[in-house]
Amino acid sequence: GAGVSQSPRYKVAKRGQDVALRCDPISGHVSLFWYQQALGQGPEFLTYFQNEAQLDKSGLPSDRFFAERPEGSVSTLKIQRTQQEDSAVYLCASKRTGRETQYFGPGTRLLVL
Amino acid sequence: AQSVTQPDIHITVSEGASLELRCNYSYGATPYLFWYVQSPGQGLQLLLKYFSGDTLVQGIKGFEAEFKRSQSSFNLRKPSVHWSDAAEYFCAVGPKTGAGSYQLTFGKGTKLSVIP
Repeated sequence: GAGVSQSPRYKVAKRGQDVALRCDPISGHVSLFWYQQALGQGPEFLTYFQNEAQLDKSGLPSDRFFAERPEGSVSTLKIQRTQQEDSAVYLCASKRTGRETQYFGPGTRLLVL
Repeated sequence: AQSVTQPDIHITVSEGASLELRCNYSYGATPYLFWYVQSPGQGLQLLLKYFSGDTLVQGIKGFEAEFKRSQSSFNLRKPSVHWSDAAEYFCAVGPKTGAGSYQLTFGKGTKLSVIP
């Protein structure tokens, strides 16, 4: 596609509910990143994929957060047993191998009540 | 660890006035440097980037930024602000070498308001 797309754009979850956030990167982009942006803050790194391999998950805040990219294209970020502190915008970005610029999607705004 | 500081949380300027948004970084070597803009409800759009070479880089929408190694700064400037520039601006750094995941480290952002 022309850009990175994410769905849903908005998600309201009750505390304790599981959620799944989807990212469709730009076609041909090998690298994929997830970031979390809390209200009034800059984005913070969560995890990184190169093709289907998750090479860095050092930013995932707890074992309730899980990300996958099974076929090296679409990625899903799953949050189990959501907590209020998980409320944030979740941004996905992709980039080409050998290039440094990351292109961001519009984000998924998650609100946990 | 790398970090980015944007000292100004909120800046208000009049339309047509000049603009400078400050960014200071802490990094072990010269990193890749970026400025992104985020409008309400939107993702991050790349304004400009610095990798090497000329320390004054031009970006989209009439923005420019200057890399100053001695000051560890990468300030964003625009000579004449338009009302449509009202948004939040983020400075970011990324690793230059092949080690690691090329993750970006962002500042906390500067919100720009424009007075007509």
